[in-house]
Amino acid sequence: DGGITQSPKYLFRKEGQNVTLSCEQNLNHDAMYWYRQDPGQGLRLIYYSQIVNDFQKGDIAEGYSVSREKKESFPLTVTSAQKNPTAFYLCASSISVQGYGNTIYFGEGSWLTVV
Amino acid sequence: GENVEQHPSTLSVQEGDSAVIKCTYSDSASNYFPWYKQELGKRPQLIIDIRSNVGEKKDQRIAVTLNKTAKHFSLHITETQPEDSAVYFCAASKGTGNTGKLIFGQGTTLQVKP
Repeated sequence: DGGITQSPKYLFRKEGQNVTLSCEQNLNHDAMYWYRQDPGQGLRLIYYSQIVNDFQKGDIAEGYSVSREKKESFPLTVTSAQKNPTAFYLCASSISVQGYGNTIYFGEGSWLTVV
Repeated sequence: GENVEQHPSTLSVQEGDSAVIKCTYSDSASNYFPWYKQELGKRPQLIIDIRSNVGEKKDQRIAVTLNKTAKHFSLHITETQPEDSAVYFCAASKGTGNTGKLIFGQGTTLQVKP
């Protein structure tokens, strides 16, 4: 678990502004994920990536963008198109998306608030 | 797509009692079922998982049971302690191809009263 680092821990966004959340892992995992957590709604998948230079939309990708230029890094940009971005964002990784029973490990999370 | 329903949304028990949280999944091809515990403001952490070739798994005070026919699985915590208070999430995945990503339930807030 300690191998996934998210920053910043707290971030404030002004209306119309894009912000980027950082996620770095040193677990040598191929797959990385971004989840959004709202009270009472569990964890919803935003984007995931199986390998460098590849990523797929999750269930709530609208208003978000990602990149995967390095195996270790999977930053998430919350764009101005995301109208309700206030939430707790969790980055995660696993050995692979493919395969049987891949344990997903989470970072510490980032709190994003619109001001 | 896969859907996971989790009940109850909140659960309050006295210290020492047992707690049971149940989840139902929709996709019969799902074959991996982890449970995560999340303390307030912290990251979810895996506490136990079960694969579809097993009906029950136990780890000290925590156990998980799986009924593939009914498509539901449950978390059982015995001899609850105040430090068990947290939000618990179940999840399911098919574990193959690009559908191997986890689908989470809505979470259960467990309160253990001393």
